[in-house]
Amino acid sequence: ETGVTQSPTHLIKTRGQQVTLRCSSQSGHNTVSWYQQALGQGPQFIFQYYREEENGRGNFPPRFSGLQFPNYSSELNVNALELDDSALYLCASSLWLRGYQETQYFGPGTRLLVL
Amino acid sequence: AQSVTQLGSHVSVSEGALVLLRCNYSSSVPPYLFWYVQYPNQGLQLLLKYTSAATLVKGINGFEAEFKKSETSFHLTKPSAHMSDAAEYFCAVSTNYGGSQGNLIFGKGTKLSVKP
Repeated sequence: ETGVTQSPTHLIKTRGQQVTLRCSSQSGHNTVSWYQQALGQGPQFIFQYYREEENGRGNFPPRFSGLQFPNYSSELNVNALELDDSALYLCASSLWLRGYQETQYFGPGTRLLVL
Repeated sequence: AQSVTQLGSHVSVSEGALVLLRCNYSSSVPPYLFWYVQYPNQGLQLLLKYTSAATLVKGINGFEAEFKKSETSFHLTKPSAHMSDAAEYFCAVSTNYGGSQGNLIFGKGTKLSVKP
């Protein structure tokens, strides 16, 4: 158990809809990263939030957006869902201190199916 | 730019046999390297990490990995496989260096099967 929790565990949406996924970071961590893991692939970095601001982004379109709250929890929002958005979405929390990011610890993921 | 290549998408060993999962990396800066394990329908669990200290890194569940700069490799080994080791294993490199933002770049994974 890493102390990182995600909700919901599973979700089914239809193409064109919008979805919000949630992540609670491990106690003491101030950075949250989101990854997308398509079936049979390794996770791909979506973006990272530090101190409530986006602190890096992977190769994902703007319809993928996020938020980080003062308690360091985070949301991932995906608009205009496409079939290819079906994947396991992983949240990872870490501590960023004095310019150094420590190890990322992953939550169990949210499995999204887009029909 | 950093990248990771895992050789072999599927490895099968007998219980009690040596486990060897291969990972090669490419990095323009000294890398931080990780091995994660993923059990079915679960998230990723950190097995071990290399952050420029000792080149032989010991992790959980009897796994270890050796950083070899000359070979740009970070292979994962375990002397004796157990049935509970059956899972998917991911090698990852971090872009974190010298204070730059960090994120993980993963390989495609190697699924380990353990035969009784």
